[in-house]
Amino acid sequence: AQSVTQPDIHITVSEGASLELRCNYSYGATPYLFWYVQSPGQGLQLLLKYFSGDTLVQGIKGFEAEFKRSQSSINLRKPSVHWSDAAEYLCAVGLPTDSWGKLQFGAGTQVVVTP
Amino acid sequence: DTEVTQTPKHLVMGMTNKKSLKCEQHMGHRAMYWYKQKAKKPPELMFVYSYEKLSINESVPSRFSPECPNSSLLNLHLHALQPEDSALYLCASSQGQGDEQFFGPGTRLTVL
Repeated sequence: AQSVTQPDIHITVSEGASLELRCNYSYGATPYLFWYVQSPGQGLQLLLKYFSGDTLVQGIKGFEAEFKRSQSSINLRKPSVHWSDAAEYLCAVGLPTDSWGKLQFGAGTQVVVTP
Repeated sequence: DTEVTQTPKHLVMGMTNKKSLKCEQHMGHRAMYWYKQKAKKPPELMFVYSYEKLSINESVPSRFSPECPNSSLLNLHLHALQPEDSALYLCASSQGQGDEQFFGPGTRLTVL
């Protein structure tokens, strides 16, 4: 069955420390991959996307992601976390064959930043 | 302009009321989406419009009625809702196949 898995429901990180969020997918072919961030009660903001090509993808707000085809994963990283990075992070997958651009979301990872 | 706007930001309604949510984008996107998001859950797709035609209805109850008056506007008409329909309703738009979706800030709906 097709699925998107974010194994970590909740992560606590100290300000200034590095952050890595995991996302695994299970699809027949390599899908389009997205990372979104959502602050409480707000809409989703796209951090980065991967379609093909270079497996290291740079995003906004200092985030980057590494795509690993062999592991069916795209993990999100930030070298030094700021207090404003506290939010919900959602991995999403889109199929190249889907005409409507539908996305399947993972369950999300809540990131808490401590002083 | 890469913005999707939604009005109102907050809405409180009774179970007998009729209200509407509005979404607007001026990016020339051909696809527009309505999502429902409950607390601490990912967004759930409700409807997809493509070229102003309803393309996907994810088995949403008829008390939710979408409408796409033109390529920039998307409405969600609400009638006889239940308290369990209380949620954040998100609108998004995209070019469609393979493109990222741009999300609005959402409407926080409370049904009393």
